[in-house]
Amino acid sequence: KQEVTQIPAALSVPEGENLVLNCSFTDSAIYNLQWFRQDPGKGLTSLLLIQSSQREQTSGRLNASLDKSSGRSTLYIAASQPGDSATYLCAVWGYGQNFVFGPGTRLSVLP
Amino acid sequence: NAGVTQTPKFQVLKTGQSMTLQCAQDMNHEYMSWYRQDPGMGLRLIHYSVGAGITDQGEVPNGYNVSRSTTEDFPLRLLSAAPSQTSVYFCASTLPGNEQFFGPGTRLTVL
Repeated sequence: KQEVTQIPAALSVPEGENLVLNCSFTDSAIYNLQWFRQDPGKGLTSLLLIQSSQREQTSGRLNASLDKSSGRSTLYIAASQPGDSATYLCAVWGYGQNFVFGPGTRLSVLP
Repeated sequence: NAGVTQTPKFQVLKTGQSMTLQCAQDMNHEYMSWYRQDPGMGLRLIHYSVGAGITDQGEVPNGYNVSRSTTEDFPLRLLSAAPSQTSVYFCASTLPGNEQFFGPGTRLTVL
């Protein structure tokens, strides 16, 4: 059974810092991995989707990498801003399975 | 293009009452799913559907019923509401192997 973990559970950084969020999964047989953002009391907003054949995806200040063999993905946020404060979730879609979500990393960017 | 829509946004039920949470998508996605999100438990899959007329159970299906008569709609029925079903419910849709899109959620309280 696929299990997804995220480290750290919470992170507080000053504005302007570059930061890395980590996602690990136990079964490397995946179709893709998706990063989401969730603001308090809101739904999930898709940030980046990485197919299993890809190594990384970029969108603006966000860069996500995927190392399928080691079961890891990282989300890099450059020049963090207070508006980046949210919970970040990763989810993997595995062969013969559905999406499995990690517990999330709660990010606070302090002005 | 409305994406994934959910109604209602908020609902309060008494124990034993039944209700249907509505979900619709206009992206012609084959795959639709229902999740519940609880503090400390993350997102858990309730039921999913890979196409009209085809549904299956997820991780936490007890107390819920689904049907899929059209590609667009995937309602979730609570048969006899219990306080343990107090949660935030999210509907999602995707084409298999592609980006998953989420609705805004329904916040349900069962008294």
